Amino acid sequence: EPEVTQTPSHQVTQMGQEVILRCVPISNHLYFYWYRQILGQKVEFLVSFYNNEISEKSEIFDDQFSVERPDGSNFTLKIRSTKLEDSAMYFCASSVYGNEQFFGPGTRLTVL
Amino acid sequence: ELKVEQNPLFLSMQEGKNYTIYCNYSTTSDRLYWYRQDPGKSLESLFVLLSNGAVKQEGRLMASLDTKARLSTLHITAAVHDLSATYFCAVDPTWAGGTSYGKLTFGQGTILTVHP
Repeated sequence: EPEVTQTPSHQVTQMGQEVILRCVPISNHLYFYWYRQILGQKVEFLVSFYNNEISEKSEIFDDQFSVERPDGSNFTLKIRSTKLEDSAMYFCASSVYGNEQFFGPGTRLTVL
Repeated sequence: ELKVEQNPLFLSMQEGKNYTIYCNYSTTSDRLYWYRQDPGKSLESLFVLLSNGAVKQEGRLMASLDTKARLSTLHITAAVHDLSATYFCAVDPTWAGGTSYGKLTFGQGTILTVHP
């Protein structure tokens, strides 16, 4: 069964460094998303992406964040200058028509 | 701002018992999703509820949606240990007649523990 994959599974970085989290959505899906979950808290929407542009973003998704679909398969989230409070699990998701979303296994980001 | 509230937040159940998790939300939407999350794992899609009165069942779980009351329920029948997990409801308010951006707003999650 097709699934969303994410790499790396765990990323440790120093405050102020740039990180890129990678996702490969399910191949026939058209909508892509990033969410984050701070430990013990609920899942929060960051951004949705369709037709090579951002459809919607939350207030969390400020200028430090960017997304890209550099080729036909990858979908990336870049954090330019990480802060301690960016430490969280980041989930990528994809859907066919913007309906049911399938989530990847997540990348745990630890900012020291 | 859309608010999604689940209750209870913690649920400790005995095997074989029935219980219901409630999900209330604050704005008009006819798209609601239930997800399961095991510790340290990703979110697994359980149910997609797309209209008022929708009811879906899978094994010991049944989900329903009342868009007028802005309420969804997840009913657990004869609980077993394997159902222990965190359950999230999520609402998509951005559906607009054929186009959806899928900006899900999640509830806080209900941590379900089933013991003998």
